[in-house]
Amino acid sequence: EPEVTQTPSHQVTQMGQEVILRCVPISNHLYFYWYRQILGQKVEFLVSFYNNEISEKSEIFDDQFSVERPDGSNFTLKIRSTKLEDSAMYFCASSADRGADTQYFGPGTRLTVL
Amino acid sequence: DQQVKQNSPSLSVQEGRISILNCDYTNSMFDYFLWYKKYPAEGPTFLISISSIKDKNEDGRFTVFLNKSAKHLSLHIVPSQPGDSAVYFCAASEGISGNTGKLIFGQGTTLQVKP
Repeated sequence: EPEVTQTPSHQVTQMGQEVILRCVPISNHLYFYWYRQILGQKVEFLVSFYNNEISEKSEIFDDQFSVERPDGSNFTLKIRSTKLEDSAMYFCASSADRGADTQYFGPGTRLTVL
Repeated sequence: DQQVKQNSPSLSVQEGRISILNCDYTNSMFDYFLWYKKYPAEGPTFLISISSIKDKNEDGRFTVFLNKSAKHLSLHIVPSQPGDSAVYFCAASEGISGNTGKLIFGQGTTLQVKP
């Protein structure tokens, strides 16, 4: 069964450093998403992406964040200058269609900012 | 901003019995709802969904009920099995009418099924 994959599973970084989280969505999906879950809190939407541009972004997704689909398979989330409060699980998701369609999630990347 | 609420942080049921997980929402624009199951250190796994044109959707042991007038949905698991023990998230989107597919999640309910 096709699945979303994410690398790395765990990333530790120093405050102020740049990190890139990588995702390989399900191959025939066209819509891509990033969510995050801070420990003990709910899963929060960050950004949706379609046709090489951002469809919607949340208030969390400020200028320090960017997304890219550098090739036909990868979808990346970059945090330019990490802060302590960026420590969270980051989940990538993809769907074949937007809207009333199931989003399938990857296993997540645990980001720890020291 | 608590557009989707799961008011019960935890639920414990005996194996073989019914588990009922509840979810309330406030945004009347939501028209597509999903339930996800999550184990520690894993991503959410899709279980079942329902659109606002239906009031019930069933898939094996899992049934989701939607009461639009009450802005309430519930997930029934019958019979419950120990392997169902996990955190269950309710999520909603302006699926049919919206443009981006953004999901709004509830806080989750931890289900424990005792053998």
